[in-house]
Amino acid sequence: EVQLVESGGGLVQPGGSLRLSCSASGFTFSTYSMHWVRQAPGKGLEWLSYISSGSSTIHYADSVKGRFTISRDNAKNSLYLQMNSLRDEDTAVYYCARDPAFTDAFDMWGQGTMVTVSS
Amino acid sequence: DIQMTQSPSSLSASVGDRVTITCQASQDIKNFLNWYQQKPGKAPKLLIYDASNLETGVPSRFSGSGSGTDFTFTISSLQPEDIATYYCQHYDHLPWTFGQGTKVEIK
Repeated sequence: EVQLVESGGGLVQPGGSLRLSCSASGFTFSTYSMHWVRQAPGKGLEWLSYISSGSSTIHYADSVKGRFTISRDNAKNSLYLQMNSLRDEDTAVYYCARDPAFTDAFDMWGQGTMVTVSS
Repeated sequence: DIQMTQSPSSLSASVGDRVTITCQASQDIKNFLNWYQQKPGKAPKLLIYDASNLETGVPSRFSGSGSGTDFTFTISSLQPEDIATYYCQHYDHLPWTFGQGTKVEIK
């Protein structure tokens, strides 16, 4: 089955760190660029970060630049998001999403993992 | 950053009605626009890419049009399973941004 499965979410105190993982299956992960997108409770969608298939190109939204780090391990079919210096406003569901080869979009999404930043 | 403004924020329509959502970009984004459907508690799903192309497996009652700054998303005949929030998203350049969403309900 073609799918993305996120893990690693949870409750963390402000200033803390968390590492999210996204496990891919059913497709050739190493040939796709990937993204992280989040959604605060009751709010809209926010793009966070992009990584190319070979990790040569990486981009971040200003809201997370310098605090979050995207990475991938193609041998393990996995995408990661290291989140440091977490703030209350980082509370959200975090999704990993695949970028299709034929255009720029999010054509496959994981089920999401909830991150709650609270003391 | 490019701002994406959707209208309306919510709508209520009857089964079988034609539903139209508009999305306006703050600058020319050519046809670099996608539409997503998000049902409660679920991840978004890509419906339309490149402004007017239907994603594989998506029912033909969904369609998109437009270019430049003004785009339209249409459900030709609203079905009960179409209850969801719909988002536009541009990809002209990073950061990619989304509209605020349009919640579609059944009257």
